[in-house]
Amino acid sequence: GENVEQHPSTLSVQEGDSAVIKCTYSDSASNYFPWYKQELGKRPQLIIDIRSNVGEKKDQRIAVTLNKTAKHFSLHITETQPEDSAVYFCAAPMNYGGSQGNLIFGKGTKLSVKP
Amino acid sequence: KAGVTQTPRYLIKTRGQQVTLSCSPISGHRSVSWYQQTPGQGLQFLFEYFSETQRNKGNFPGRFSGRQFSNSRSEMNVSTLELGDSALYLCASSSLPAGEGYEQYFGPGTRLTVT
Repeated sequence: GENVEQHPSTLSVQEGDSAVIKCTYSDSASNYFPWYKQELGKRPQLIIDIRSNVGEKKDQRIAVTLNKTAKHFSLHITETQPEDSAVYFCAAPMNYGGSQGNLIFGKGTKLSVKP
Repeated sequence: KAGVTQTPRYLIKTRGQQVTLSCSPISGHRSVSWYQQTPGQGLQFLFEYFSETQRNKGNFPGRFSGRQFSNSRSEMNVSTLELGDSALYLCASSSLPAGEGYEQYFGPGTRLTVT
């Protein structure tokens, strides 16, 4: 089944710097890769996702890149701000006999942005 | 549209008891997934229901069960509670199965404490 590894588990950056979080997945049939942000005491919320037919997607200060050959995808946050401090989760779908099943989440990266 | 709601928000139970948690998805959403969140373990998939049928099940013991009603509301039950079941239980709804690339919207969670 699908296995999703996420690194690093904690990341501390200065305000204005960039942050990069990387995930690897095991199932080559996976074709949808979302990223969720969970602020302290709040529910996870989708911030960006990418499908396997594109290699990069951007939304203002955040971007996601996908390398299907290497089976890894990354979240890039530029010009970080204190409000970016949160736990970020990547995910990939479990494959069930050719159809995409439930999402498997990485263990999360706690990002701290220091002012 | 109203968001995903979960009841109760907090629960304290004793070892050996059983508990039932409820999740009301966004109107029109037919998929409900349940996750257990504990520090350091991220979001661990419990099960997904779609149109009243369990679509997938995670690697949890049979003490964890669930169901979905015709109005898409879902319940999960944990019998014979153990201390290790203490966690935040999150449900998420989507219009179609989440692994197919449809955004999951999370509820606020039920914080279960087993003493």
